[in-house]
Amino acid sequence: QVHLVESGGGVVQPGRSLSLSCTASGFTFSRFGMHWVRQTPGKGLEWVAVIWYDGSKKYYADSVKGRFIISRDNSKNTVYLQMDSLRAEDTAVYYCARGDGYNTDYWGQGTLVTVSS
Amino acid sequence: QLVVTQSPSASASLGASVKLTCTLSSGHSSYAVAWHQQQPEKGPRYLMILYSDGRHYKGDGIPDRFSGSSSGTERYLSISRLQSEDEADYYCQTWGTDFWVFGGGTKLTVL
Repeated sequence: QVHLVESGGGVVQPGRSLSLSCTASGFTFSRFGMHWVRQTPGKGLEWVAVIWYDGSKKYYADSVKGRFIISRDNSKNTVYLQMDSLRAEDTAVYYCARGDGYNTDYWGQGTLVTVSS
Repeated sequence: QLVVTQSPSASASLGASVKLTCTLSSGHSSYAVAWHQQQPEKGPRYLMILYSDGRHYKGDGIPDRFSGSSSGTERYLSISRLQSEDEADYYCQTWGTDFWVFGGGTKLTVL
Protein backbone atom coordinates (compact mmCIF):
# COMPACT_ATOMS: atom_id res chain seq x y z
CA GLN A 1 0.00 0.00 0.00
CA VAL A 2 1.50 3.29 -1.14
CA HIS A 3 2.00 5.78 1.66
CA LEU A 4 3.47 9.29 1.45
CA VAL A 5 4.09 11.35 4.58
CA GLU A 6 5.16 14.99 4.43
CA SER A 7 6.87 16.79 7.29
CA GLY A 8 8.74 19.99 8.03
CA GLY A 9 6.00 22.56 7.71
CA GLY A 10 5.62 25.44 10.12
CA VAL A 11 5.64 29.20 10.51
CA VAL A 12 8.59 31.08 9.00
CA GLN A 13 9.36 34.75 8.46
CA PRO A 14 9.53 36.27 4.98
CA GLY A 15 12.97 35.91 3.45
CA ARG A 16 13.88 32.91 5.57
CA SER A 17 14.25 29.25 4.57
CA LEU A 18 12.44 26.01 5.29
CA SER A 19 12.99 22.41 4.23
CA LEU A 20 10.21 19.89 3.67
CA SER A 21 10.53 16.11 3.55
CA CYS A 22 8.31 13.41 2.13
CA THR A 23 8.95 9.82 3.14
CA ALA A 24 7.52 7.06 0.98
CA SER A 25 6.62 3.45 1.63
CA GLY A 26 4.77 0.61 -0.07
CA PHE A 27 6.53 0.82 -3.42
CA THR A 28 10.01 0.83 -4.95
CA PHE A 29 10.80 4.49 -4.45
CA SER A 30 13.82 4.55 -6.75
CA ARG A 31 11.65 3.68 -9.78
CA PHE A 32 9.33 6.67 -9.60
CA GLY A 33 9.53 10.40 -10.09
CA MET A 34 8.24 12.60 -7.29
CA HIS A 35 6.37 15.90 -7.34
CA TRP A 36 5.65 18.71 -4.93
CA VAL A 37 2.27 20.43 -5.34
CA ARG A 38 0.90 23.21 -3.15
CA GLN A 39 -2.51 24.58 -2.30
CA THR A 40 -3.15 28.02 -0.90
CA PRO A 41 -5.86 27.86 1.78
CA GLY A 42 -9.25 27.84 0.09
CA LYS A 43 -7.73 27.83 -3.40
CA GLY A 44 -6.75 25.34 -6.09
CA LEU A 45 -3.73 23.15 -6.69
CA GLU A 46 -0.46 24.51 -8.07
CA TRP A 47 2.33 22.28 -9.32
CA VAL A 48 5.69 23.26 -7.77
CA ALA A 49 8.45 20.87 -8.82
CA VAL A 50 9.30 17.38 -10.02
CA ILE A 51 12.38 15.18 -9.77
CA TRP A 52 13.03 12.20 -11.98
CA TYR A 53 13.33 8.72 -10.42
CA ASP A 54 17.14 8.88 -10.48
CA GLY A 55 17.45 12.59 -9.76
CA SER A 56 18.77 13.24 -13.26
CA LYS A 57 16.12 15.80 -14.16
CA LYS A 58 14.42 18.47 -12.10
CA TYR A 59 11.80 20.96 -13.23
CA TYR A 60 10.20 23.87 -11.43
CA ALA A 61 7.22 26.18 -11.72
CA ASP A 62 8.19 29.72 -12.72
CA SER A 63 6.83 30.98 -9.38
CA VAL A 64 9.53 29.11 -7.42
CA LYS A 65 12.39 28.81 -9.92
CA GLY A 66 15.66 30.02 -8.40
CA ARG A 67 14.27 29.88 -4.83
CA PHE A 68 13.24 26.23 -4.32
CA ILE A 69 15.32 23.10 -4.82
CA ILE A 70 13.95 19.58 -5.07
CA SER A 71 16.17 16.62 -4.23
CA ARG A 72 15.87 12.99 -3.20
CA ASP A 73 17.69 10.27 -1.30
CA ASN A 74 16.67 6.90 -2.69
CA SER A 75 18.42 5.09 0.16
CA LYS A 76 16.02 6.82 2.57
CA ASN A 77 12.92 6.72 0.35
CA THR A 78 12.66 10.46 0.82
CA VAL A 79 12.17 13.50 -1.38
CA TYR A 80 12.96 17.00 -0.15
CA LEU A 81 11.98 20.55 -0.97
CA GLN A 82 14.40 23.25 0.12
CA MET A 83 12.59 26.58 0.11
CA ASP A 84 14.65 29.76 0.29
CA SER A 85 13.73 33.46 0.18
CA LEU A 86 10.21 32.63 1.24
CA ARG A 87 7.40 35.05 0.49
CA ALA A 88 3.92 35.50 1.91
CA GLU A 89 2.51 34.06 -1.31
CA ASP A 90 4.33 30.78 -0.63
CA THR A 91 1.92 30.16 2.25
CA ALA A 92 0.17 26.90 1.38
CA VAL A 93 -0.31 23.26 2.17
CA TYR A 94 2.49 21.38 0.40
CA TYR A 95 1.76 17.90 -0.91
CA CYS A 96 4.13 15.36 -2.32
CA ALA A 97 2.84 13.09 -5.06
CA ARG A 98 4.22 10.07 -6.85
CA GLY A 99 4.89 10.38 -10.54
CA ASP A 100 4.06 7.41 -12.75
CA GLY A 101 5.42 8.44 -16.13
CA TYR A 102 4.02 11.94 -16.47
CA ASN A 103 1.00 11.07 -14.36
CA THR A 104 0.69 11.69 -10.60
CA ASP A 105 -1.07 8.74 -9.00
CA TYR A 106 -0.64 8.91 -5.21
CA TRP A 107 -0.70 11.85 -2.84
CA GLY A 108 0.35 12.55 0.69
CA GLN A 109 -1.80 14.37 3.25
CA GLY A 110 0.20 17.58 3.12
CA THR A 111 2.13 19.85 5.45
CA LEU A 112 1.23 23.50 6.09
CA VAL A 113 3.76 26.24 5.49
CA THR A 114 2.91 29.71 6.76
CA VAL A 115 5.12 32.64 5.78
CA SER A 116 4.42 35.52 8.12
CA SER A 117 6.25 38.08 10.20
CA GLN B 1 0.42 28.07 -23.94
CA LEU B 2 -1.24 25.11 -22.28
CA VAL B 3 -4.21 26.23 -20.19
CA VAL B 4 -6.72 24.02 -18.40
CA THR B 5 -10.21 25.39 -17.76
CA GLN B 6 -12.89 23.98 -15.48
CA SER B 7 -16.27 25.32 -14.43
CA PRO B 8 -16.08 26.51 -10.80
CA SER B 9 -19.13 24.61 -9.65
CA ALA B 10 -21.61 21.87 -10.49
CA SER B 11 -24.48 20.22 -8.69
CA ALA B 12 -26.61 17.11 -9.05
CA SER B 13 -29.03 15.12 -6.94
CA LEU B 14 -28.25 12.11 -4.82
CA GLY B 15 -28.47 8.98 -6.98
CA ALA B 16 -28.29 10.95 -10.23
CA SER B 17 -25.38 11.30 -12.68
CA VAL B 18 -23.11 14.23 -13.45
CA LYS B 19 -20.54 15.01 -16.12
CA LEU B 20 -17.71 17.42 -15.30
CA THR B 21 -15.79 19.14 -18.08
CA CYS B 22 -12.13 20.01 -18.43
CA THR B 23 -11.18 22.11 -21.46
CA LEU B 24 -7.64 22.23 -22.82
CA SER B 25 -6.48 25.29 -24.70
CA SER B 26 -6.61 25.30 -28.48
CA GLY B 27 -3.99 23.16 -30.19
CA HIS B 28 -3.73 20.66 -27.35
CA SER B 29 -6.37 18.13 -28.37
CA SER B 30 -3.89 15.23 -28.17
CA TYR B 31 -3.02 15.76 -24.53
CA ALA B 32 -3.93 13.32 -21.81
CA VAL B 33 -5.22 14.50 -18.44
CA ALA B 34 -5.48 13.14 -14.94
CA TRP B 35 -8.53 13.65 -12.73
CA HIS B 36 -8.18 14.05 -8.98
CA GLN B 37 -10.78 14.27 -6.22
CA GLN B 38 -10.35 16.30 -3.05
CA GLN B 39 -12.92 15.77 -0.33
CA PRO B 40 -13.29 18.48 2.32
CA GLU B 41 -10.30 18.76 4.65
CA LYS B 42 -8.45 15.94 2.89
CA GLY B 43 -5.54 15.60 0.49
CA PRO B 44 -6.22 14.95 -3.19
CA ARG B 45 -6.93 11.44 -4.44
CA TYR B 46 -6.05 10.27 -7.92
CA LEU B 47 -9.06 9.05 -9.91
CA MET B 48 -7.84 8.26 -13.40
CA ILE B 49 -5.73 9.10 -16.39
CA LEU B 50 -7.76 9.96 -19.49
CA TYR B 51 -6.35 9.96 -23.02
CA SER B 52 -7.54 11.92 -26.03
CA ASP B 53 -9.08 8.80 -27.59
CA GLY B 54 -11.21 8.21 -24.50
CA ARG B 55 -9.20 5.40 -23.00
CA HIS B 56 -9.03 5.81 -19.27
CA TYR B 57 -7.36 3.90 -16.48
CA LYS B 58 -8.52 4.32 -12.94
CA GLY B 59 -6.51 4.36 -9.76
CA ASP B 60 -6.63 1.75 -7.07
CA GLY B 61 -10.03 1.32 -5.48
CA ILE B 62 -11.87 3.83 -7.66
CA PRO B 63 -15.46 2.64 -8.10
CA ASP B 64 -16.98 1.75 -11.45
CA ARG B 65 -19.31 4.74 -10.98
CA PHE B 66 -16.44 6.93 -12.17
CA SER B 67 -15.59 7.04 -15.86
CA GLY B 68 -13.95 9.31 -18.40
CA SER B 69 -14.42 10.35 -22.00
CA SER B 70 -12.89 12.79 -24.48
CA SER B 71 -13.91 14.94 -27.41
CA GLY B 72 -11.49 17.32 -29.11
CA THR B 73 -10.00 19.50 -26.40
CA GLU B 74 -12.65 18.48 -23.87
CA ARG B 75 -12.02 15.86 -21.20
CA TYR B 76 -14.94 14.62 -19.16
CA LEU B 77 -15.35 12.97 -15.79
CA SER B 78 -18.67 11.21 -15.35
CA ILE B 79 -20.00 10.05 -12.01
CA SER B 80 -23.11 7.90 -11.83
CA ARG B 81 -25.33 6.97 -8.87
CA LEU B 82 -24.08 9.97 -6.92
CA GLN B 83 -23.40 9.45 -3.25
CA SER B 84 -22.93 12.01 -0.50
CA GLU B 85 -19.20 11.26 -0.33
CA ASP B 86 -18.84 12.36 -3.96
CA GLU B 87 -19.32 15.94 -2.80
CA ALA B 88 -15.81 17.25 -3.34
CA ASP B 89 -13.55 19.37 -5.50
CA TYR B 90 -12.46 17.76 -8.75
CA TYR B 91 -9.24 18.81 -10.44
CA CYS B 92 -8.08 18.19 -13.98
CA GLN B 93 -4.32 18.09 -14.58
CA THR B 94 -2.17 17.88 -17.67
CA TRP B 95 1.48 18.22 -18.53
CA GLY B 96 4.06 19.25 -21.08
CA THR B 97 7.63 18.06 -21.40
CA ASP B 98 8.87 20.05 -18.42
CA PHE B 99 5.82 21.38 -16.60
CA TRP B 100 2.57 20.26 -15.09
CA VAL B 101 -0.60 22.35 -14.82
CA PHE B 102 -3.90 22.06 -12.96
CA GLY B 103 -7.27 23.46 -13.78
CA GLY B 104 -8.94 25.63 -11.20
CA GLY B 105 -11.15 22.79 -10.01
CA THR B 106 -14.89 22.16 -9.97
CA LYS B 107 -16.76 22.07 -6.68
CA LEU B 108 -19.42 19.37 -6.92
CA THR B 109 -22.43 19.68 -4.64
CA VAL B 110 -24.64 16.64 -4.14
CA LEU B 111 -28.16 17.83 -3.46
